[in-house]
Amino acid sequence: DTGVSQDPRHKITKRGQNVTFRCDPISEHNRLYWYRQTLGQGPEFLTYFQNEAQLEKSRLLSDRFSAERPKGSFSTLEIQRTEQGDSAMYLCASSFYTDTQYFGPGTRLTVL
Amino acid sequence: TQLLEQSPQFLSIQEGENLTVYCNSSSVFSSLQWYRQEPGEGPVLLVTVVTGGEVKKLKRLTFQFGDARKDSSLHITAAQPGDTGLYLCAGVTAAGNKLTFGGGTRVLVKP
Repeated sequence: DTGVSQDPRHKITKRGQNVTFRCDPISEHNRLYWYRQTLGQGPEFLTYFQNEAQLEKSRLLSDRFSAERPKGSFSTLEIQRTEQGDSAMYLCASSFYTDTQYFGPGTRLTVL
Repeated sequence: TQLLEQSPQFLSIQEGENLTVYCNSSSVFSSLQWYRQEPGEGPVLLVTVVTGGEVKKLKRLTFQFGDARKDSSLHITAAQPGDTGLYLCAGVTAAGNKLTFGGGTRVLVKP
């Protein structure tokens, strides 16, 4: 296993379109996290799953955002009706319970 | 809301010089982690400090956790161009369910 992977690495979309990102965690990790990082800032927590259960969502996660982890393995993050303010790097991380979180390379979203 | 403040925001030094990055909070964290991030990539863990007053060394990097577990510092000795990057500190809450990141310190080491 080579670590956390994310797909796509880059996404350019027009305002109003829907986008979906995928994250594959380290295989033995039961927790999966999503963070968002805007230019020049540190990452901000969005949500996390333990197995298939979504246990916490940040206030940053508006109604246009939805995340799933249906089988407790990979996760998807969907943004509906994208806005220019959604442009950011979306980072996924995984861990075994409260152990160290390991990050993927991120998906950079640009909304035109 | 638990906040972490990093200083300075940007540091430009010559190869061979030393530097220190600070991470401060008014909140207590169960542990604190330092990451380095390259442009277009995800953060890579450097170290985790857990015990108040703890000092950890990673080659030329020295990490210290404050006695009250509210602050931390990263000191780089004899910096090299390969040390260039964004250094992020992140606090772990007692629940251990998410990381709270500082704003990052961008370090540029010029040859």
